[in-house]
Amino acid sequence: GAVVSQHPSRVICKSGTSVKIECRSLDFQATTMFWYRQFPKKSLMLMATSNEGSKATYEQGVEKDKFLINHASLTLSTLTVTSAHPEDSSFYICSAFPWKGGNEQFFGPGTRLTVL
Amino acid sequence: GESVGLHLPTLSVQEGDNSIINCAYSNSASDYFIWYKQESGKGPQFIIDIRSNMDKRQGQRVTVLLNKTVKHLSLQIAATQPGDSAVYFCAENKSMAGGGNKLTFGTGTQLKVEL
Repeated sequence: GAVVSQHPSRVICKSGTSVKIECRSLDFQATTMFWYRQFPKKSLMLMATSNEGSKATYEQGVEKDKFLINHASLTLSTLTVTSAHPEDSSFYICSAFPWKGGNEQFFGPGTRLTVL
Repeated sequence: GESVGLHLPTLSVQEGDNSIINCAYSNSASDYFIWYKQESGKGPQFIIDIRSNMDKRQGQRVTVLLNKTVKHLSLQIAATQPGDSAVYFCAENKSMAGGGNKLTFGTGTQLKVEL
């Protein structure tokens, strides 16, 4: 099946710093990737849709200047949490469709962000 | 507003028994519905999906039932095994204008398999 990877798997940073999380589709190309956020014992909340070669589409209530998304190639999307604060601590998960119009989203293993 | 919700937050079953996880949804415009399994500290894993024009679909040890009249979705796991212990999410998929799909996840049910 299609494989999606994320890097890093865990990151701890100080308040006020920025953190970049990478999402890669390893064996397929993805014009669209998605970024989710998940709090402990909670569901996944869609943050934004990352579109290759164009601007990301953010969900209502998600600050685009806070969560910068770049989808520079068909296999890589990055999420940068800028000026991180403790409330940004969460589990961030990306996903991708292996081809346009496909039904199944493949999810990455997630990145645990802890902001001190 | 639109929502996908689950009836039970935790389900405990004996190994070998069948498990039934339920989900209620409110958006009638969804194209299809998906069940995901998420183990602790990992991303969701696709289990099975069902199109909105179907009422039943079977996979290996799993069956999904869709009742559009009452907007209810269920996942049945036969002969539940310890490896089935995880959080299960239902999700509804909608096609977006201009192409692409968008998933809305339910709140999740923790399945615990007791030996």
